[in-house]
Amino acid sequence: GAVVSQHPSRVICKSGTSVKIECRSLDFQATTMFWYRQFPKKSLMLMATSNEGSKATYEQGVEKDKFLINHASLTLSTLTVTSAHPEDSSFYICSARPWDSNNEQFFGPGTRLTVL
Amino acid sequence: AQSVTQLDSQVPVFEEAPVELRCNYSSSVSVYLFWYVQYPNQGLQLLLKYLSGSTLVKGINGFEAEFNKSQTSFHLRKPSVHISDTAEYFCAVSDGYSGGYQKVTFGTGTKLQVIP
Repeated sequence: GAVVSQHPSRVICKSGTSVKIECRSLDFQATTMFWYRQFPKKSLMLMATSNEGSKATYEQGVEKDKFLINHASLTLSTLTVTSAHPEDSSFYICSARPWDSNNEQFFGPGTRLTVL
Repeated sequence: AQSVTQLDSQVPVFEEAPVELRCNYSSSVSVYLFWYVQYPNQGLQLLLKYLSGSTLVKGINGFEAEFNKSQTSFHLRKPSVHISDTAEYFCAVSDGYSGGYQKVTFGTGTKLQVIP
């Protein structure tokens, strides 16, 4: 149990376009989902926390108008990178916290975004 | 504020030899501690976690870690490594709820390279 999926696993897009990444909890309900960004040979950087039915909470330095997060249901959160630029190229990982857990997150397999 | 330090960016070790990956943390309150493993181009998988109770925690794949409050450490150990253990390992700390949701801080990771 506790499986989190991400789609797509890889995406290549042109500069200036928008890209949507989906994060789904497959076998549990997640009141909270987290979005991370991982640079090459670096740690995970928390971008934002999304709670179902409310606005996401962004970490300092993360542009909320560029990285749009929607948590429409207890099993789905989406991250949209708007007007993507090459510097947005990265590995994006989501995680989900089950509604009955206060200390564990389950991670998705990640999405590799390459902006040309 | 909480933080995690993984001093070793890379640890080479021969197959079947023991290994210890070091992790030190700082937090102003009691903590939850985690070790995750990441294989290339994949998400994170939980190896083990310390929430409370026994300071020696056993995880998957033969790994264990010991919580040392006085030294603020949570080092990961395995008595005999396999080639398949080659991966990136992340230590993480959470101080439970902060502003209504759990926030996890990751270390910069340690790349374990098992040499045949």
